[in-house]
Amino acid sequence: QQQVKQSPQSLIVQKGGISIINCAYENTAFDYFPWYQQFPGKGPALLIAIRPDVSEKKEGRFTISFNKSAKQFSLHIMDSQPGDSATYFCAVRGNDMRFGAGTRLTVKP
Amino acid sequence: DTAVSQTPKYLVTQMGNDKSIKCEQNLGHDTMYWYKQDSKKFLKIMFSYNNKELIINETVPNRFSPKSPDKAHLNLHINSLELGDSAVYFCASSQDPSWLSGELFFGEGSRLTVL
Repeated sequence: QQQVKQSPQSLIVQKGGISIINCAYENTAFDYFPWYQQFPGKGPALLIAIRPDVSEKKEGRFTISFNKSAKQFSLHIMDSQPGDSATYFCAVRGNDMRFGAGTRLTVKP
Repeated sequence: DTAVSQTPKYLVTQMGNDKSIKCEQNLGHDTMYWYKQDSKKFLKIMFSYNNKELIINETVPNRFSPKSPDKAHLNLHINSLELGDSAVYFCASSQDPSWLSGELFFGEGSRLTVL
């Protein structure tokens, strides 16, 4: 069973726009909420991660917003670039890492 | 230096055959994993090994068997291959699962095609 629900399935954004991907989870025991980025033919790689004791984390153009009470977290990509085109996975960590279904992001030049 | 390397990158085989995928990590991590990514890109954990000991074994057919000769290696053996086994298999590693950073380091994947 999927422990984290991710949306949208795909996203098309113009260059310079904001990309927003959302995830929702059920289990309050999760203690770590990462986002992974995967390019075609490559393995996923950690992009940014947050712990439940903070509500926001920013690294360059990438921001995670975390809402503990709503059990939701989201990835915001500011000033999206064609090079950001990839599949993005949210994940939750309990005894192991479980991934959302992925969002295919396309940034049009 | 590749942190997590897996071989082969591509594997095409007939139904009913037995095949293996090898994985090695040079990060000194305690835990290694196998994930399966299907055609819809969904990543599902199959196995987790911590210091050569199986700690997670999801509901995976027993045709799949992980083998860990040492902490740096985790191989995946698949017997009697079926069409539905076609997928990309990713090896990953992390420090102890409870480690603060929690980061998983993935290999580049092994694409298995069963004909």
